[in-house]
Amino acid sequence: GAVVSQHPSWVICKSGTSVKIECRSLDFQATTMFWYRQFPKQSLMLMATSNEGSKATYEQGVEKDKFLINHASLTLSTLTVTSAHPEDSSFYICSATARRGDIDTQYFGPGTRLTVL
Amino acid sequence: QKEVEQDPGPLSVPEGAIVSLNCTYSNSAFQYFMWYRQYSRKGPELLMYTYSSGNKEDGRFTAQVDKSSKYISLFIRDSQPSDSATYLCANRGTSYGKLTFGQGTILTVHP
Repeated sequence: GAVVSQHPSWVICKSGTSVKIECRSLDFQATTMFWYRQFPKQSLMLMATSNEGSKATYEQGVEKDKFLINHASLTLSTLTVTSAHPEDSSFYICSATARRGDIDTQYFGPGTRLTVL
Repeated sequence: QKEVEQDPGPLSVPEGAIVSLNCTYSNSAFQYFMWYRQYSRKGPELLMYTYSSGNKEDGRFTAQVDKSSKYISLFIRDSQPSDSATYLCANRGTSYGKLTFGQGTILTVHP
């Protein structure tokens, strides 16, 4: 159980276009989802915390108008990279939380590799 | 200073070796400690978590926490080539909410 999917798994787009990435919890409901980006051989950098039915909370330095997050249901959150540029090329990973025992556990999706030309 | 520090390695060991992966943290508020394993081009998967000082064992894996020195370790016994991955420690102050990740240690177990 606790499977999280992401779609697409990879995407190549032209500079200036927008790209939408979906994150779904397949067999559980997740009140909270998180969005991360990861550069090669580096750790996960949290971008934002997404709660169902409310506005996302962005980390310092993350442009909320550029990285639009929508969490419309307990199983789906989307990240839209607007007017993408080459510096936005990265590995984007989402996680969905579920209560397991006495803690909330984050279950991660397989990631989406974005390449902006 | 980063809140969570890990030696990025890479660490290379022969099959069957005992592996020690370490992590230090500076935020005294951290109370929950997780270890994630990430294979190349995949999302991380949770290996273990603990929230008290001492040892916690799960199969070939043992997590060790020393809150007095803010030092966390993951030991892998009888390491296998399939253990080759990046290991990330992650901490937080409560039982829910966002995690703070270390840089990750790249481990290679060669046959």
